Amino acid sequence: QKEVEQNSGPLSVPEGAIASLNCTYSDRGSQSFFWYRQYSGKSPELIMFIYSNGDKEDGRFTAQLNKASQYVSLLIRDSQPSDSATYLCAVTGTGNQFYFGTGTSLTVIP
Amino acid sequence: DVKVTQSSRYLVKRTGEKVFLECVQDMDHENMFWYRQDPGLGLRLIYFSYDVKMKEKGDIPEGYSVSREKKERFSLILESASTNQTSMYLCASIALGIYTDTQYFGPGTRLTVL
Repeated sequence: QKEVEQNSGPLSVPEGAIASLNCTYSDRGSQSFFWYRQYSGKSPELIMFIYSNGDKEDGRFTAQLNKASQYVSLLIRDSQPSDSATYLCAVTGTGNQFYFGTGTSLTVIP
Repeated sequence: DVKVTQSSRYLVKRTGEKVFLECVQDMDHENMFWYRQDPGLGLRLIYFSYDVKMKEKGDIPEGYSVSREKKERFSLILESASTNQTSMYLCASIALGIYTDTQYFGPGTRLTVL
């Protein structure tokens, strides 16, 4: 059983601040890492993916991967109330399976 | 523009009924997945398929079966519904390889088994 762990939160940040979401995984063979955003009552939506160690930036989002330490993080700069959602970390294992964490609930306070 | 559709948003069934959940994608993706999502447990993989007529068990296949007769359609079957199968069911369609960034979930089916 692959394990992907996230702090369930809730994480609260003021509007305009940086929100930092973390995820650790147990399978050293994992190759691909994803962040999804899920609004209440909706299905998950892919916002970032990363394969290589280091940072990957897309607008206000930055994904950071450290394979040696087996963690991946998501930074949201200039947080907006519309960023309030649950963020799911996913990791691919063998056989093209995806393994999801339980998600971190983020609230951005206006 | 809808990419992945699921047959029902809400479904109420009785214990022992056979239940069919259908997922259709229009992106010609090879890989399709069925998950269930429960509070505190996150998304758990039930079955996946990487080609027509091919299927692989996920982490929690017990009580479920699947069918993939056409590339665009992946069905989840509850042979005899039980109350512990009350959940949100999510289908995902994923193209791996160089197009790994194109991943879509359907809107979900909230199933209640009475």
